[in-house]
Amino acid sequence: GAGVSQTPSNKVTEKGKYVELRCDPISGHTALYWYRQSLGQGPEFLIYFQGTGAADDSGLPNDRFFAVRPEGSVSTLKIQRTERGDSAVYLCASSLNQGLAGGEQFFGPGTRLTVL
Amino acid sequence: GENVEQHPSTLSVQEGDSAVIKCTYSDSASNYFPWYKQELGKGPQLIIDIRSNVGEKKDQRIAVTLNKTAKHFSLHITETQPEDSAVYFCAACPDYKLSFGAGTTVTVRA
Repeated sequence: GAGVSQTPSNKVTEKGKYVELRCDPISGHTALYWYRQSLGQGPEFLIYFQGTGAADDSGLPNDRFFAVRPEGSVSTLKIQRTERGDSAVYLCASSLNQGLAGGEQFFGPGTRLTVL
Repeated sequence: GENVEQHPSTLSVQEGDSAVIKCTYSDSASNYFPWYKQELGKGPQLIIDIRSNVGEKKDQRIAVTLNKTAKHFSLHITETQPEDSAVYFCAACPDYKLSFGAGTTVTVRA
């Protein structure tokens, strides 16, 4: 079956602009995660959804970042007033279980965001 | 929060030799330890994982060991092949939030 998909694969924007990044999880996966990966680093947790609700958004760096998952499937990560420091690869992952410890997380290919 | 350290940052091995990557973690509540392989331009791919009630797990040429007392876990790749060249990440998970190491770039020399 299809894995996690993310669009766009690349996004170039100018400082101050608004961007939306989309994630389509594996069908049937109730848990969805967003991570951010800077060059040469491991992914860092941003937010976790269980169904439609954000169960943990403690990793979002500031209030310019927001994510939604209105129907419990597709999720959109939204970044307002982008800054050059937001440039990174944004990864989405999903898991089958209810987000309990030990649920295998399957990652998408990521969206590479470049803020000029 | 959890803090994961990973060593070495780069590793070059001759084809056919073994590769070992070591990680330490700080949160004793962590009970799930996955390893991911990431190729250039792709997302991380889960290659093996281990849970805290198991000390060792093997899958063909890949094995992982866990020492909960010392808060250490390691990845062992035997009989390395050129397609094993990639960046490898360890992670620790006390709940649902994966905390990753900084990664190890493995190069297998033909």
